[in-house]
Amino acid sequence: QITLKESGPTLVKPTQTLTLTCTFSGFSLSTGGVGVGWIRQPPGKALEWLALVYWDDDKRYSPSLKSRLSITKDTSKNLVVLTMTNMDPVDTATYFCAHLRGFDSSAYYFEYFQHWGQGTLVTVSS
Amino acid sequence: DIQMTQSPSSLSASVGDRVTITCRASQSISSCLNWYQQKSGKAPKVLIYAASSLESGVPSRFSGSGSGTDFTLTISSLQPEDFATYYCEQCYTTSHSFGQGTKLEIK
Repeated sequence: QITLKESGPTLVKPTQTLTLTCTFSGFSLSTGGVGVGWIRQPPGKALEWLALVYWDDDKRYSPSLKSRLSITKDTSKNLVVLTMTNMDPVDTATYFCAHLRGFDSSAYYFEYFQHWGQGTLVTVSS
Repeated sequence: DIQMTQSPSSLSASVGDRVTITCRASQSISSCLNWYQQKSGKAPKVLIYAASSLESGVPSRFSGSGSGTDFTLTISSLQPEDFATYYCEQCYTTSHSFGQGTKLEIK
């Protein structure tokens, strides 16, 4: 059974750096085709894709947030850490981490978020 | 960046109705399109991946189709538990992106 859980501060001040940890079980981030991503959702708004780290340590970032984001993995501890610098009130959101499944089919490569954590609400306020 | 546009943004329907939600990509994404369902206060759940593949455990009343830029999610006969918000996600580029969501409400 795959589970993921986000942890980190619930309140950060503007300009501070947010550090969130995703602790998971039921899979290994050293298995081919596997990744862990971060997605956020401001209250009442849509999902926003943030970042992704793959089993081979390849990393991807949202172009609009790339300068502020960093994603790292610790395969031995089964965790992924997301840092976001220079936090602003508009960054107030529920932050989700999710397990990514990737696979080849008919010469194409597909991937999707197969399992999700429950999310953690982060409020940015002074 | 690839922009994903869903229509409609909201939809009212009755139990038993057939419902179709559309997702359009700003450029071709082949079949790299996923659909998620999100209920209030919960994490999203994948329904369809690679445009038309049904995730294990998802009821067969859900189906997906399309390729290139235009995709649809169809619910053949709405059930009470299907009232939720639905999102598409493109996986074609190195950074994915979601649509703005379609809220499905009870008529």
